[in-house]
Amino acid sequence: NAGVTQTPKFQVLKTGQSMTLQCAQDMNHNSMYWYRQDPGMGLRLIYYSASEGTTDKGEVPNGYNVSRLNKREFSLRLESAAPSQTSVYFCASKLAGSYNEQFFGPGTRLTVL
Amino acid sequence: AQSVTQLDSHVSVSEGTPVLLRCNYSSSYSPSLFWYVQHPNKGLQLLLKYTSAATLVKGINGFEAEFKKSETSFHLTKPSAHMSDAAEYFCVVSDLYNFNKFYFGSGTKLNVKP
Repeated sequence: NAGVTQTPKFQVLKTGQSMTLQCAQDMNHNSMYWYRQDPGMGLRLIYYSASEGTTDKGEVPNGYNVSRLNKREFSLRLESAAPSQTSVYFCASKLAGSYNEQFFGPGTRLTVL
Repeated sequence: AQSVTQLDSHVSVSEGTPVLLRCNYSSSYSPSLFWYVQHPNKGLQLLLKYTSAATLVKGINGFEAEFKKSETSFHLTKPSAHMSDAAEYFCVVSDLYNFNKFYFGSGTKLNVKP
């Protein structure tokens, strides 16, 4: 099993450009998540999808959109990138039920100039 | 919403001495609780989780955490630090009403001196 995979690993954008971060999991998990990690702030939830067909906002959704393409895949789109979106982005997945932990991907390091 | 406070942003210990990383959360309701570790430029790995079966939870690499409901705390300990423990540690708590939603503490960077 590959677990949670993310593409790309690194990306540099110019202000105003758009891009989509891809995430896939092969563990048959129900819930999927997008977080951003900034120094000194831990991970902050951008959006999550509790199950296929549903998406919900997290703490910092502004400037982002998501698509739960199917049970395996959950993408994050930046329509018009801003320097404040420079961050490391992590995707995670989780099996349904209380007390189940999240499994994280390796991260995407995004720089917006 | 829940909030999670990791009381120390940096902790420095000598190799072979005990480690204590502190975590408090905002509600007396019993949420799901987790500790994750992140080594430099790596992803997050689960150390341990509280599942309500026992208040003292054992994890990987000799780490333990004790759930204290009255203190709303879930501190992480290890009897003897190893150089390989140097990393950043995150306490994570589930939402009060939604076990699919989580809140991260701001992290504690552990430095281990030889």
